[in-house]
Amino acid sequence: QSALTQPASVSGSPGQSITISCTGTFRDVGGYYYVSWYQQYPDRAPKLIIYDVSQRPSGVSARFSGSKSGNTASLTISGLQADDEADYYCSSYTTTGALAVFGGGTKLTVL
Amino acid sequence: QLQLLESGPGLVKPAETLSLTCTVSGDSISTPNYFWGWVRQPPGKGLEWIGSVYYSGRTFYPPSLESRVTISVDTSKDQFSLRLTSVTAADTAVYYCARATGTASTFSFFYYYTDAWGTGATVTVSS
Repeated sequence: QSALTQPASVSGSPGQSITISCTGTFRDVGGYYYVSWYQQYPDRAPKLIIYDVSQRPSGVSARFSGSKSGNTASLTISGLQADDEADYYCSSYTTTGALAVFGGGTKLTVL
Repeated sequence: QLQLLESGPGLVKPAETLSLTCTVSGDSISTPNYFWGWVRQPPGKGLEWIGSVYYSGRTFYPPSLESRVTISVDTSKDQFSLRLTSVTAADTAVYYCARATGTASTFSFFYYYTDAWGTGATVTVSS
């Protein structure tokens, strides 16, 4: 079962917007609206920031937004802040046995 | 408030079996539409979904690990466990137990997202 494909790294300056892509297939991202995104700081457990493609859990900043087109989902962070610097992972329902699959992760650097 | 706590040996010898248990508190492991799963993260690498179990005992594994992994649930203790056989150095990782939300019926199961995580247990495979 292959991981979903994410860019290894992205960067942006404070105040800017960045977008992280997450590409799968019709068996996961393309076939269902069950894409979620996680933020992970070093040596910490991941935290859910987007679910069902574009929904934000209570307490998550509105600067985080999600979308999907075809087999690719995207996470956009607007008004970048220093504490947005972290690793970001996408996840999706998959029909290939495990129920869930993660992306390879993207390291966000705030310049 | 839901809490998940991993426990088990931090050091496992090559070719032996890795065993971890996750104790759930603050909610019942038998609550419908929750899946109880394991995620690992090798040093410096990304997250990997190892598999999950529903309170009924139904399990879900990725094809890449299916031959080596077993996840089981003990509803009387609100615990679920991971067994990974024939380990190698490549299995060295932080292992997280987690709760995933989805839907479950007799014939279909869907994963939506993972909304609770343990703090993680570091497991090293070395002789």
